[in-house]
Amino acid sequence: GQQLNQSPQSMFIQEGEDVSMNCTSSSIFNTWLWYKQDPGEGPVLLIALYKAGELTSNGRLTAQFGITRKDSFLNISASIPSDVGIYFCAVPTGNQFYFGTGTSLTVIP
Amino acid sequence: DTGVSQDPRHKITKRGQNVTFRCDPISEHNRLYWYRQTLGQGPEFLTYFQNEAQLEKSRLLSDRFSAERPKGSFSTLEIQRTEQGDSAMYLCASSPPGANQPQHFGDGTRLSIL
Repeated sequence: GQQLNQSPQSMFIQEGEDVSMNCTSSSIFNTWLWYKQDPGEGPVLLIALYKAGELTSNGRLTAQFGITRKDSFLNISASIPSDVGIYFCAVPTGNQFYFGTGTSLTVIP
Repeated sequence: DTGVSQDPRHKITKRGQNVTFRCDPISEHNRLYWYRQTLGQGPEFLTYFQNEAQLEKSRLLSDRFSAERPKGSFSTLEIQRTEQGDSAMYLCASSPPGANQPQHFGDGTRLSIL
């Protein structure tokens, strides 16, 4: 299967700080997706990216589709306690979707 | 709310028993996916349906696993002769027609094998 490497694996930040995480692959993709998962729940779609170089925002979240099509970045500005959770990148390949191993975010009030 | 619905939310069973999970996708979504997720990992693809046709199965889907979507609406995932290694969260997702459409997930069924 596809290997999606997410970095960092975990983050501990103070409330109000900005957050950056990324997802890289050795393969090229035409779509990058970012999901957030809270404990005991399914992943929730945050942002979908369809074009290399695309920069898309959803409130305090901004994601970019890397120009090489092998990576994507997610930034969260002015973090708040409810941003806590695990963030996954995902890519479709044929009829399958592959997910990264996730970045666990902890926000300290 | 008309999101993806999964039932049951939790299932505890003894090793060797059969279990069946149900997924009701978003009504206008013709694509349905099953995933397995273990602690500290991202969801792993198991199988994919387009309408009632099962078009793709992962090698993770052993012969003890079977999925159906008989009328192209709800789907069931059955695990026969459960093993300890089957303990995981089983997630269902659906997406509308069209390539690379984002999936919408249910909250999963957590399976614990005693």
